[in-house]
Amino acid sequence: SQTIHQWPATLVQPVGSPLSLECTVEGTSNPNLYWYRQAAGRGLQLLFYSVGIGQISSEVPQNLSASRPQDRQFILSSKKLLLSDSGFYLCAWSVPWLVGAGGDNEQFFGPGTRLTVL
Amino acid sequence: AQTVTQSQPEMSVQEAETVTLSCTYDTSESDYYLFWYKQPPSRQMILVIRQEAYKQQNATENRFSVNFQKAAKSFSLKISDSQLGDAAMYFCAYRSEIDGGTSYGKLTFGQGTILTVHP
Repeated sequence: SQTIHQWPATLVQPVGSPLSLECTVEGTSNPNLYWYRQAAGRGLQLLFYSVGIGQISSEVPQNLSASRPQDRQFILSSKKLLLSDSGFYLCAWSVPWLVGAGGDNEQFFGPGTRLTVL
Repeated sequence: AQTVTQSQPEMSVQEAETVTLSCTYDTSESDYYLFWYKQPPSRQMILVIRQEAYKQQNATENRFSVNFQKAAKSFSLKISDSQLGDAAMYFCAYRSEIDGGTSYGKLTFGQGTILTVHP
C-alpha cells in the first residue's frame, strides 16, 4: 500500500532563516506531487505541483520554492522566511492521468507540517 | 477560474442525527470531479466521498451521501447517524477534467465547515 511521509511535524523558525520541508511517498511510482498551505485552519491553497522529476509548476508567486530531486521526494524551501509563511503545510500525491487509464481522480495527503515563523 | 463556496463556517449535530453540509461551485466546464474531504483534529486530510459530474447518480459511502445538483452547481454532503468521530472540518473540493495535454488536474478547495457532534 502507498504511504506518504512529511517531516518535520512541527517547526519554529525565526524570520529570515531558511526552510526545508520534505515529503516522500512510498509504494507507488511516478506520482503527481503537490504542496499546499493551510492558513489559520481554513482552506487549502495549492502552492506547487510536480508531474515528474525536476518538473515544478508554481501556482502562487511567493517566497517559497519547490524541488523534486527524486521520483518520490518533494521538497519545499525558502531562503528567507517571512512572518506570513506561518501555516500548516500539506504534501499530497495522486496517480497521474494516463490516456486510456484515467487517474488523478483523488489526492492523498500526508500528515502535514506546522510551521511557525517568529 | 473555478471557485468553491462553503457558506456554513460551523455546523453542529446531535449524535445519531443527520446533518447536511452545503457546497456550491462556479465553473464553465461540463466534466469535472467533486470531493468531500474530512480534516479531524489530527489535521490529516481524509477523502470522504467523490462524485463524477457525468454521473447522475449521487455517490454514497456508508453513512455519507451527496446531493449533486449539476444545473444548480450544488454539492451537499449528508451525514446520517452522526458519530462523535465525525467531528472535524469538512472541505468541498473541485477538480477539472484532465486536459489531454497534461497529466494533472488542479484541486480547488472551499474554506471549510467545522462540524461539532454533541453526545
